[in-house]
Amino acid sequence: EAQVTQNPRYLITVTGKKLTVTCSQNMNHEYMSWYRQDPGLGLRQIYYSMNVEVTDKGDVPEGYKVSRKEKRNFPLILESPSPNQTSLYFCASSRGTSGIGELFFGEGSRLTVL
Amino acid sequence: DQQVKQNSPSLSVQEGRISILNCDYTNSMFDYFLWYKKYPAEGPTFLISISSIKDKNEDGRFTVFLNKSAKHLSLHIVPSQPGDSAVYFCAASSGSNYKLTFGKGTLLTVNP
Repeated sequence: EAQVTQNPRYLITVTGKKLTVTCSQNMNHEYMSWYRQDPGLGLRQIYYSMNVEVTDKGDVPEGYKVSRKEKRNFPLILESPSPNQTSLYFCASSRGTSGIGELFFGEGSRLTVL
Repeated sequence: DQQVKQNSPSLSVQEGRISILNCDYTNSMFDYFLWYKKYPAEGPTFLISISSIKDKNEDGRFTVFLNKSAKHLSLHIVPSQPGDSAVYFCAASSGSNYKLTFGKGTLLTVNP
């Protein structure tokens, strides 16, 4: 089954404790991206990657890092989480040939930073 | 600066009637538009898209209309069903740009 898998689905952590949210896709997609969803703000792009070792900032990259060492994986790293990073996070992927096209989303990771 | 706007946070319609969800954009470079549907506790799922070279695209009960001069697109659902109740996001991108900009979403409730 074609899917985008995120882990953990739910996490409560404390300020400053480094964490990583993993994302893996099994569709051999070139393009992967991270979004956060906040009430009243919709979906905002954090980082995206057009291929292995190619990443770029989205609209809200502050406080986040990403890496794309393998095509299927695109982890989101919070080096020193703060309460304003409490949010619902979505990873997404697409074939990414000549533009984004249809994005396939994971089920989301709800993060709470105390 | 919000480049994709969905000005109606919510919409309520009766089962069997038409649902019309609206979206406005400000960036004239946008040339590809998508609608996503999102149920609670799930990720958004792709619904329908339209390229700027078209003014209409239809897929079953779902039709998207694009008015480039007004920088406006709309999603029509006919007939509406209770299972269509969800948050609908409008999204836009430009050319080979790999950024996809989303609106804030509209919560559609279809009443039986």
